[in-house]
Amino acid sequence: NAGVTQTPKFQVLKTGQSMTLQCAQDMNHEYMSWYRQDPGMGLRLIHYSVGAGITDQGEVPNGYNVSRSTTEDFPLRLLSAAPSQTSVYFCASSRGLAGAYNEQFFGPGTRLTVL
Amino acid sequence: QQQVKQSPQSLIVQKGGISIINCAYENTAFDYFPWYQQFPGKGPALLIAIRPDVSEKKEGRFTISFNKSAKQFSLHIMDSQPGDSATYFCASMDSSYKLIFGSGTRLLVRP
Repeated sequence: NAGVTQTPKFQVLKTGQSMTLQCAQDMNHEYMSWYRQDPGMGLRLIHYSVGAGITDQGEVPNGYNVSRSTTEDFPLRLLSAAPSQTSVYFCASSRGLAGAYNEQFFGPGTRLTVL
Repeated sequence: QQQVKQSPQSLIVQKGGISIINCAYENTAFDYFPWYQQFPGKGPALLIAIRPDVSEKKEGRFTISFNKSAKQFSLHIMDSQPGDSATYFCASMDSSYKLIFGSGTRLLVRP
């Protein structure tokens, strides 16, 4: 049972480039989320999904796209990278709605630098 | 944007001391308040959580206290150990059912 996996671990992009951060979970969780972590800002929700085919925006969705074609996978796409997107990105999953008695399981993170 | 205000931003405690981290929320759609612990280079992991039917929950050296009328909850770490050195996040669910995290507290426990 691998839990939540994320790839890549590290990535450096140039401004304007696009890329996809991969996230997968093997716990058959319905709920998946993407967060970014910046110093002094805590964890901020980018997008989340309550099941395959259903996604919604979080606190800071601009510049990011998501899709959920399967229960297991929840990729995050950066459309045109900007230096302001330099951050550590975490994917998380939970059996049910996070915050409603459901533990969130986090991946190990992707450290992204945009030059 | 609804916030969860967490303090202090950083905390240094001697081994064996008590670490106290406080959080205040505005409104919540669900009375469930988790605390997550994050070690350097790792993702956060659930440490302890409290439900609304109790005002305090204890798990080993970790205790959550909850004051609903003041909209505040806190984490106490008794007999703090160097292995407790980590970043701690509180969280609550906002009115649109999204889990909102505090800004984090970096705890350093000196030997």
